[in-house]
Amino acid sequence: QKEVEQNSGPLSVPEGAIASLNCTYSDRGSQSFFWYRQYSGKSPELIMFIYSNGDKEDGRFTAQLNKASQYVSLLIRDSQPSDSATYLCAVAGNQFYFGTGTSLTVIP
Amino acid sequence: DGGITQSPKYLFRKEGQNVTLSCEQNLNHDAMYWYRQDPGQGLRLIYYSQIVNDFQKGDIAEGYSVSREKKESFPLTVTSAQKNPTAFYLCASSPLHSYEQYFGPGTRLTVT
Repeated sequence: QKEVEQNSGPLSVPEGAIASLNCTYSDRGSQSFFWYRQYSGKSPELIMFIYSNGDKEDGRFTAQLNKASQYVSLLIRDSQPSDSATYLCAVAGNQFYFGTGTSLTVIP
Repeated sequence: DGGITQSPKYLFRKEGQNVTLSCEQNLNHDAMYWYRQDPGQGLRLIYYSQIVNDFQKGDIAEGYSVSREKKESFPLTVTSAQKNPTAFYLCASSPLHSYEQYFGPGTRLTVT
């Protein structure tokens, strides 16, 4: 079992819709959770982090954490074509693990 | 202008040659990391360092070496012992006691 699992996609949503990206993790001791956006050929960019159960909102992005279910998600509201990228989930506990990413395409 | 720089952006080498990738940060971060990214495999940790003159192996350290003589710098050497060195190499840094990692632009290494 991988430490961090994401659906590789591709996930396609129309412009203006809500994109929902999901991530599960195996280490119950994990404390910190991160979402990175990576455009093709570029390096990852940190866009959200969350430490406590519940929701955290930043502009069009909302991170949701449920430690009991070992589940973290990223919602992107009013999706734009510029949101088309691969989104990497990362989890930190005793070690730091990245998922393999979900490819998102926003269709104009 | 604070940030992490990696050079060069593209690097080409012949098989059997060692090559050193540069990583410099002016964020005053204590921890620095090297990752390798291959298509479809996500990021894999090569080495990391939390303080000057100390570093630890990551999941795929074989065939690589690092040094941390200055807080700002964490160069990675890809040796001829690394069997499949062609990849996208990413350097990151984070403040002490934080896992918020910030990445440099990366170096794409091609070995033929």
